[in-house]
Amino acid sequence: AQSVTQLDSQVPVFEEAPVELRCNYSSSVSVYLFWYVQYPNQGLQLLLKYLSGSTLVKGINGFEAEFNKSQTSFHLRKPSVHISDTAEYFCAVSSNFGNEKLTFGTGTRLTIIP
Amino acid sequence: DTGVSQNPRHKITKRGQNVTFRCDPISEHNRLYWYRQTLGQGPEFLTYFQNEAQLEKSRLLSDRFSAERPKGSFSTLEIQRTEQGDSAMYLCASSLPPRTSGRRNEQFFGPGTRLTVL
Repeated sequence: AQSVTQLDSQVPVFEEAPVELRCNYSSSVSVYLFWYVQYPNQGLQLLLKYLSGSTLVKGINGFEAEFNKSQTSFHLRKPSVHISDTAEYFCAVSSNFGNEKLTFGTGTRLTIIP
Repeated sequence: DTGVSQNPRHKITKRGQNVTFRCDPISEHNRLYWYRQTLGQGPEFLTYFQNEAQLEKSRLLSDRFSAERPKGSFSTLEIQRTEQGDSAMYLCASSLPPRTSGRRNEQFFGPGTRLTVL
């Protein structure tokens, strides 16, 4: 079984400031890791994913994440946020075999302050 | 690539009524997933299809819930005798077969169907 913990339910950040959204996971098997973004009244959109290889993953909209196996973390970062980044962000994990269903964290609401 | 579509987008029903939701995946995707998202929570896995075969069901899927995917194309999720606890956003996602280069394990989500049970 897998689980995902997003410790911060809400993160307010001033526009153009950097941001880090934290994600920790637990699993007894090898996993793939994902960050999804959900804008109001919309479905989930994939920001980035880690499958294997380089532990620093770059995604869309200037976001990046770093996989740290020893700390079982996959934190999301952006060096300078914009108003348009206001959304709910979900970290997710799946096993790397079988049906590859996603297990999500509870989400972090990112609010950008002008 | 027209994306995953779901209908209806919103459904309001009275407790005890039956409801059915539809999901149309991206055409070449053979995997289809249903998730449920309640307020303040992340999506939770409900069930999974590979082509027309339903291969896994979550313990969250009580016997009042049934899902089908005839001919491996669109899918329907039916809830019988709805309860207020069924109020949630129901999300559908689809993906390519595993080990497909370039888009491996990327699930594409539809906009969801928001169910309100009065």
